Amino acid sequence: GAGVSQSPSNKVTEKGKDVELRCDPISGHTALYWYRQSLGQGLEFLIYFQGNSAPDKSGLPSDRFSAERTGGSVSTLTIQRTQQEDSAVYLCASSLGISGTDTQYFGPGTRLTVL
Amino acid sequence: QKEVEQDPGPLSVPEGAIVSLNCTYSNSAFQYFMWYRQYSRKGPELLMYTYSSGNKEDGRFTAQVDKSSKYISLFIRDSQPSDSATYLCAMSAWNNDMRFGAGTRLTVKP
Repeated sequence: GAGVSQSPSNKVTEKGKDVELRCDPISGHTALYWYRQSLGQGLEFLIYFQGNSAPDKSGLPSDRFSAERTGGSVSTLTIQRTQQEDSAVYLCASSLGISGTDTQYFGPGTRLTVL
Repeated sequence: QKEVEQDPGPLSVPEGAIVSLNCTYSNSAFQYFMWYRQYSRKGPELLMYTYSSGNKEDGRFTAQVDKSSKYISLFIRDSQPSDSATYLCAMSAWNNDMRFGAGTRLTVKP
């Protein structure tokens, strides 16, 4: 079956512009996660959804970042007024549930470059 | 201090060598421990999963967890050039709120 897909795969934008990143989780997966991966920094957790609800948004780096999920499926991560420090790979993952035993399956990521 | 510490390497070994990758952590609530493998420009993929302390073996890969020392390891026997990737340790408490290490970049030379 299809895995987690993300679009676009690469995005180059100018400082100050807004960007929208999309994640299509595996069908039937109720949990969806967003991470940011910077060079040499590992994965930084941003936010997760259980269904359409995000119980904890404290992982988002600033109020320029927002995320939503509709219909328990597709999610979008929006970054407003992008800054150069937002340049990173943004990874999405999904899992059947939120138990520690539920494997997270990752998408290929969106590489964001802010000039 | 980071919640999960992992030496980023890079680590370079000859083909056939035994590779040892390690992570330490500070949160004693962690009970699920995972190793992910990430090839260049790809998303991480789950390699090994261990619950609580002990060893788990899968082919050439062995994962060890020592909760008393807050230390986990991944061993790769008879390493192959195809094992060249970045290896990320990850761990979580009761839920799926995972914390990742920085990743160790491994190169296996033919």
